[in-house]
Amino acid sequence: GNSVTQMEGPVTLSEEAFLTINCTYTATGYPSLFWYVQYPGEGLQLLLKATKADDKGSNKGFEATYRKETTSFHLEKGSVQVSDSAVYFCALRAGGTSYGKLTFGQGTILTVHP
Amino acid sequence: DADVTQTPRNRITKTGKRIMLECSQTKGHDRMYWYRQDPGLGLRLIYYSFDVKDINKGEISDGYSVSRQAQAKFSLSLESAIPNQTALYFCATSWGTSTDTQYFGPGTRLTVL
Repeated sequence: GNSVTQMEGPVTLSEEAFLTINCTYTATGYPSLFWYVQYPGEGLQLLLKATKADDKGSNKGFEATYRKETTSFHLEKGSVQVSDSAVYFCALRAGGTSYGKLTFGQGTILTVHP
Repeated sequence: DADVTQTPRNRITKTGKRIMLECSQTKGHDRMYWYRQDPGLGLRLIYYSFDVKDINKGEISDGYSVSRQAQAKFSLSLESAIPNQTALYFCATSWGTSTDTQYFGPGTRLTVL
């Protein structure tokens, strides 16, 4: 079946530090890959996505590249801010009978200190 | 106003009670989903509906039922709540012919005592 594995958290960084949150996946076919972010007290919102191998998704300074050879979609940001403190979820949407359904990783809590 | 709303936002109930969580959307999307979020487990799909006449079980549907009353409304029911159904519940919507982005409501925190 489909699955997503994220790096263990929580992650604590100082402002302006470099961020990497690892994400690897298992899926049949060619899934689309997503990063969602959940700010405190809110629902999830899409941060970025990539729909085919070697695509790079980017938004708000965050980037992730779809690596089919390593089945990975790591999230990076060069300089984090306090306002980036949130829970980050990697997710995939596989094709076939799974069409339209998302499979989520367990989430990684990020805390950024001033 | 929010595009995806959930009511109630918080609910405390007792074991054995019937509970209904409601979701409404103004985005005009055809697809709606119910997830539960547990610490360390991410979000898991309970039920999903691709249109008013199409209801499907997700990976953890036991103990839950749903009703798609209209394109804009999708309700989740716990017929007889139990403590391990204590969780954060999210409704989401998407448009079937577009780019797969799901839009989430703010969540309902349910506690079953």
